[in-house]
Amino acid sequence: AQSVTQLGSHVSVSEGALVLLRCNYSSSVPPYLFWYVQYPNQGLQLLLKYTSAATLVKGINGFEAEFKKSETSFHLTKPSAHMSDAAEYFCAVSRMDSSYKLIFGSGTRLLVRP
Amino acid sequence: ETGVTQSPTHLIKTRGQQVTLRCSSQSGHNTVSWYQQALGQGPQFIFQYYREEENGRGNFPPRFSGLQFPNYSSELNVNALELDDSALYLCASSTAGQGMNTEAFFGQGTRLTVV
Repeated sequence: AQSVTQLGSHVSVSEGALVLLRCNYSSSVPPYLFWYVQYPNQGLQLLLKYTSAATLVKGINGFEAEFKKSETSFHLTKPSAHMSDAAEYFCAVSRMDSSYKLIFGSGTRLLVRP
Repeated sequence: ETGVTQSPTHLIKTRGQQVTLRCSSQSGHNTVSWYQQALGQGPQFIFQYYREEENGRGNFPPRFSGLQFPNYSSELNVNALELDDSALYLCASSTAGQGMNTEAFFGQGTRLTVV
């Protein structure tokens, strides 16, 4: 069985500050891990994915995440927040195959203060 | 290449009615997955179709059913609608099999309101 826990339903940062969104996973098999972003009234856009290559994954819009097996974590970071980063962020896990049956966390809403 | 498109974008149904949602997958993709996203929650996996066959199902009752067509587009059907079925329904397409591996691309979703 697989599951994802996102710590903090809301995170608020100042523009220019570090963004850190936390994700812990549980998986009985080697996982694929993903971060998606959702803007209001829109679908999901992939930010980045871990598929067993490099443990530090760089994504779009300056985001990156590090896979830490010992901590079962895949936290999302960005060095400097921009107002346009305000959105809902979802961490997801799937089995290490190509089927992409995604199990999502409950999401973290990122607020960026001017 | 065209993206994933879903129709309709919004609809309102009465409890007990039936609804059909449609999804056109991205060009070249052979796999479609459906997700339900209730307000304030993460998406939940309903089922997946690969080459017109169901390829995995989440914890949803049989009144949620689907189809995939030869052109890989898909339908989600929900019978005997309940108020709790009100949600954003998301379709995602990808390519699986024969060593190919693409990410899942999501459509904009269909917002279903059951009254």
